[in-house]
Amino acid sequence: AQSVTQLGSHVSVSEGALVLLRCNYSSSVPPYLFWYVQYPNQGLQLLLKYTTGATLVKGINGFEAEFKKSETSFHLTKPSAHMSDAAEYFCAVSENSGYSTLTFGKGTMLLVSP
Amino acid sequence: ETGVTQSPTHLIKTRGQQVTLRCSSQSGHNTVSWYQQALGQGPQFIFQYYREEENGRGNFPPRFSGLQFPNYSSELNVNALELDDSALYLCASRFPGDTEAFFGQGTRLTVV
Repeated sequence: AQSVTQLGSHVSVSEGALVLLRCNYSSSVPPYLFWYVQYPNQGLQLLLKYTTGATLVKGINGFEAEFKKSETSFHLTKPSAHMSDAAEYFCAVSENSGYSTLTFGKGTMLLVSP
Repeated sequence: ETGVTQSPTHLIKTRGQQVTLRCSSQSGHNTVSWYQQALGQGPQFIFQYYREEENGRGNFPPRFSGLQFPNYSSELNVNALELDDSALYLCASRFPGDTEAFFGQGTRLTVV
């Protein structure tokens, strides 16, 4: 069975500050890991994913995440927050198969203040 | 724009009724999954269809059922609606063997 824990249901940062959203996973097989963003009344948009290879993954809108197997973590970072980054962020895990489904964390709401 | 569209966007139903939600995927996306996202929660997997056959199911009762059609569209049917079925229902589709799932904008179901 797989699971995802996102630490902090809400994270508040000032515009221009570092964004760090934490994600820890549990998986009995090598995982695929994903970060999705959800704006109000919208579906989910993929920010980035780790499947194999380089453990530092770069995504859209300046976000990146690092897969750390020893820590079972996949934290999301962005050097400088913009107001437009305010949204809910979901970390997800799947088995290393193109037919596997996603197991999501409960989400972290990112609040960005001027 | 993901190329995945869901209808309707909002729906209000009465407890005990039945509902059908629809999803239209991109051409070639022969794998479709449905998720339930309750307020303040992450999406939870309901079931997945591959080539019109169910090939995975989450912890949902049989009154949640689905269909997938050859034209890359699919349906989620829920019978005997309960108040706790109120949620955003998300459809996600992908190319065979691809890791990236493309999500629709969701259908917000309210059961009163």
